[in-house]
Amino acid sequence: DQQVKQNSPSLSVQEGRISILNCDYTNSMFDYFLWYKKYPAEGPTFLISISSIKDKNEDGRFTVFLNKSAKHLSLHIVPSQPGDSAVYFCAASVRIQGAQKLVFGQGTRLTINP
Amino acid sequence: DSGVTQTPKHLITATGQRVTLRCSPRSGDLSVYWYQQSLDQGLQFLIQYYNGEERAKGNILERFSAQQFPDLHSELNLSSLELGDSALYFCASSVTGDYTGELFFGEGSRLTVL
Repeated sequence: DQQVKQNSPSLSVQEGRISILNCDYTNSMFDYFLWYKKYPAEGPTFLISISSIKDKNEDGRFTVFLNKSAKHLSLHIVPSQPGDSAVYFCAASVRIQGAQKLVFGQGTRLTINP
Repeated sequence: DSGVTQTPKHLITATGQRVTLRCSPRSGDLSVYWYQQSLDQGLQFLIQYYNGEERAKGNILERFSAQQFPDLHSELNLSSLELGDSALYFCASSVTGDYTGELFFGEGSRLTVL
């Protein structure tokens, strides 16, 4: 049961343009959403997060949008830079039986072309 | 550098064997999480410890076990290894046991079972 889905395994964007990464979820009990970025041979690093009570959170070039009615999350990167080329994981947290659990999507490989 | 240290970085072993993966969390972090990433899969949550106690359990097989020691380092034991256990195993740490903030990931231990 894949509760968090990233349907695009890969995305290619021109440098300077906007990158939009999408994520869908099925569990309406998720209360926090996060994006992680992963370079080859490194562990994932936290990028940005959003609480389920908000619909937008912005941090520099990165903005996360949450559409609860559609159970959809997106990450916008603008302008895209070559250093943004990485795998991006969407994650959602839910409290189950007193413990918080984090569920990750499969990841989307973003390539920024010069 | 996330501050989370995982050893070994690479491990090759045979089916039926047993291995131990080690994780040292960031200084001051009380919670340790173990994740498995198989080929083309997202990060699958295995287990979480908080200050020495098991906090949450995910899709961890009975052949796998983990513990967190008084100095807060953690070990993941994988036994009766099968070919399908080949994966990248990540350890992450956080100050608290909740997911409203970021997790700090190590670089991972790549296990190959032949």
